[in-house]
Amino acid sequence: QLQLQESGPGLVKPSETLSLTCTVSGGSISSSSYYWGWIRQPPGKGLEWIGSIYYSGSTYYNPSLKSRVTISVDTSKNQFSLKLSSVTAADTAVYYCARDIVVVVAATGHDAFDIWGQGTMVTVSS
Amino acid sequence: DIQLTQSPSFLSASVGDRVTITCRASQGISSYLAWYQQKPGKAPKLLIYAASTLQSGVPSRFSGSGSGTEFTLTISSLQPEDFATYYCQQLNSYPSFTFGPGTKVDIK
Repeated sequence: QLQLQESGPGLVKPSETLSLTCTVSGGSISSSSYYWGWIRQPPGKGLEWIGSIYYSGSTYYNPSLKSRVTISVDTSKNQFSLKLSSVTAADTAVYYCARDIVVVVAATGHDAFDIWGQGTMVTVSS
Repeated sequence: DIQLTQSPSFLSASVGDRVTITCRASQGISSYLAWYQQKPGKAPKLLIYAASTLQSGVPSRFSGSGSGTEFTLTISSLQPEDFATYYCQQLNSYPSFTFGPGTKVDIK
């Protein structure tokens, strides 16, 4: 059974870079059927998609975060990672990694985030 | 960017009630919409994708409908385990997979 697990520092100082890794177990990150994404949720607020990556390294980023975000993949370790630079208190959130599956419905591909990690809380504070 | 609104933002209901949540997109997204359920302290759970396709393992009391700019999530008979927050998400195309603001379903 596929599982995702986020890891990384729980506390980051303002202006520094937030770095998280998602380890995929029970399956290969190199499957052609999936993208892999990062989503975050500030305390008490809604969900925000950060970006997604394909095993080949193709990336898609939320335009509102694009200038500060880098998502990368390491297929040898079955991991993908998030870097968010120049963080502020507004970046304090639970960060989730998730599998973005593409399902064909009526001959059309449809994305959905079907498997999620448990989430990791990251606080930005000095 | 495509924006999503959800109504109501808060819903108080009783076990056994039929519940309907609406999600509206600022422009047409065909059927590129998913619904998620989130309980406190937990990751979201996929319920519906492609606007109306039930994810494997999700109870049949959940259903989705709609296309274009207006979508609904219906719970035919609310169960105690359904009290949660529900989010829609548009996946029309990159570069942005926007989520709606959420609808909290609480016990009356």
